[in-house]
Amino acid sequence: QSVLTQPPSVSAAPGQKVTISCSGSGSNIGSKDVSWYQQVPGTAPKLLIFENTKRPSGIPDRFSGSKSGTSATLGITGLQTGDEADYFCGVWDISLRVLVFGGGTKLTVL
Amino acid sequence: QVQLQESGPGLVKPSQTLSLNCTVSDFSISNGAYYWTWVRQHPGKGLEWIGYIHYSGDAFYNPSFKSRATISLDTSKNQISLKLTSVTAADTAVYYCATRSSGDCLDYWGRGTLVTVSS
Repeated sequence: QSVLTQPPSVSAAPGQKVTISCSGSGSNIGSKDVSWYQQVPGTAPKLLIFENTKRPSGIPDRFSGSKSGTSATLGITGLQTGDEADYFCGVWDISLRVLVFGGGTKLTVL
Repeated sequence: QVQLQESGPGLVKPSQTLSLNCTVSDFSISNGAYYWTWVRQHPGKGLEWIGYIHYSGDAFYNPSFKSRATISLDTSKNQISLKLTSVTAADTAVYYCATRSSGDCLDYWGRGTLVTVSS
């Protein structure tokens, strides 16, 4: 069981918007910066969001991140079929002294 | 842009030591900008952080590996290595090397290598 809780799956139609939640505690999300990763099946994870809200170079602004208290959210607008992937949140846990990840959310673009 | 490539045996016998290398291209591991990281992913499952090391020698490990894991740097080959002792079938996974920068994000990843533990 993961320290961070994500919904197992979300779905939406092309062009629509979807949000993926990541719920933690005061020892992780409540204290440290959250990152988000996209993993297309059969490939390595790719960094989408770092320091809660920032996008690396090359990541379109359709992807956004936010954090409030002990929860973080990834938003994706203008959904495309190419966005179908697993999405993971990650953060350092100051009590466990471990980099922890959510269990992942599978996005289906209907 | 940092390029990483994992390599090593795809099959390891139970109780033996898993040894993997990660060759870094287009960037010197001596640069000091990153912590060099290993993460694994069991088939169809989530990500599990193993540990990371800095050029300065600082190393941090996931306690769940109970001292079985060792990460080291070979600056002459620009490689990061992972050794995991006393492996069992539960260590069957895809192993990734990655760079860890500010905010504990993992910004560059290798393609990963599947290691199966089986007799």
